[in-house]
Amino acid sequence: QKEVEQDPGPLSVPEGAIVSLNCTYSNSAFQYFMWYRQYSRKGPELLMYTYSSGNKEDGRFTAQVDKSSKYISLFIRDSQPSDSATYLCAMIDGGTSYGKLTFGQGTILTVHP
Amino acid sequence: DTGVSQNPRHKITKRGQNVTFRCDPISEHNRLYWYRQTLGQGPEFLTYFQNEAQLEKSRLLSDRFSAERPKGSFSTLEIQRTEQGDSAMYLCASSLGGGNGNQPQHFGDGTRLSIL
Repeated sequence: QKEVEQDPGPLSVPEGAIVSLNCTYSNSAFQYFMWYRQYSRKGPELLMYTYSSGNKEDGRFTAQVDKSSKYISLFIRDSQPSDSATYLCAMIDGGTSYGKLTFGQGTILTVHP
Repeated sequence: DTGVSQNPRHKITKRGQNVTFRCDPISEHNRLYWYRQTLGQGPEFLTYFQNEAQLEKSRLLSDRFSAERPKGSFSTLEIQRTEQGDSAMYLCASSLGGGNGNQPQHFGDGTRLSIL
């Protein structure tokens, strides 16, 4: 079983919809949680970076972390065709000193006009 | 642009050949990481440098792989005697070294390796 599980989708939504992306994890030592966006043939781009449980909002993006359930989410409001990409969750074990990222599989999102 | 730069963007080679990739991190970042990403999967950690010291290597990094970061600036990743299974995107990331080592990592656009 992988340490981080992410539904690969694909997920297809109409423009303006609210998108919910999720990851579950098994390692209770994960303390830092990130969401990256990756366009085709490009590197991952950092969207959100959170520590421990709680919510964080940045424009149309909201990240939620529930450590008790080992579950994290990314919500995208008013989705746009330019949001079409692969979304990767990533986590860091708080017990390590060098910040190795453990990624989910990625969810492919398409927002159609 | 002062982001992470990787070269070449795409490398095609025959099985058994050696290949070398280069990564130029963000200039003030002292931490540098290499990851490998195969189609439909998330990136997997390969190795980590703090300045010029290679401090961590994954079990994924077989003896055919070697990485260096001379002078703590750019880094190279070399694969010797390439195999079909080495076909992947090789990603480099860099970050500042914080007290707990968990500063955000910024990625380059990767080198796509294709083995014929």
